[in-house]
Amino acid sequence: AQSVAQPEDQVNVAEGNPLTVKCTYSVSGNPYLFWYVQYPNRGLQFLLKYITGDNLVKGSYGFEAEFNKSQTSFHLKKPSALVSDSALYFCAVRGSVSNTGKLIFGQGTTLQVKP
Amino acid sequence: ETGVTQTPRHLVMGMTNKKSLKCEQHLGHNAMYWYKQSAKKPLELMFVYNFKEQTENNSVPSRFSPECPNSSHLFLHLHTLQPEDSALYLCASRVDAGSGGTEAFFGQGTRLTVV
Repeated sequence: AQSVAQPEDQVNVAEGNPLTVKCTYSVSGNPYLFWYVQYPNRGLQFLLKYITGDNLVKGSYGFEAEFNKSQTSFHLKKPSALVSDSALYFCAVRGSVSNTGKLIFGQGTTLQVKP
Repeated sequence: ETGVTQTPRHLVMGMTNKKSLKCEQHLGHNAMYWYKQSAKKPLELMFVYNFKEQTENNSVPSRFSPECPNSSHLFLHLHTLQPEDSALYLCASRVDAGSGGTEAFFGQGTRLTVV
């Protein structure tokens, strides 16, 4: 069965410091991995994805994520956090053997960036 | 703006009412999804439509009835709901060409309150 785990309910970081939001996954076949961000009372906004190729993926707003197959992880990172990055972040996975395109989400991690 | 529009944005309904949620996209996507987002829970996939055909019903109670008249429109018909059905209902769409690597675009959601 496909699953995604985001082990931290909340991550706190000071503005200007690097941030990491963790994600591990379990999937049949090769994984397609995604990060989304959600601001209050809004839908989910796509940040970046890993399909194949380079393990380091760059996305919107200066975010990047590193795919690690041996650790089945896809952690989201940013070198220097902004207060405006404060939001709810979701990791999601779709397996290559899924015939419905089902996207499975983690429970979300709240990122709090303090000035 | 993601190109996926949901109406209404907010809905309050009694347990005996019948209402419908609407989702619309003109992105040329052929797959559409309904998700439920409750507080403190991961996003729950409810229904998947591909080329207007329902390909997944994730054990959703019959008081939720989806309809997909064409690839651009998706409805969720609601009747005799329970207070625990109060949640943010998110619609998403994507291009499904057999590969799992395309990202989903989400609408801003309908905040449903059942009283």
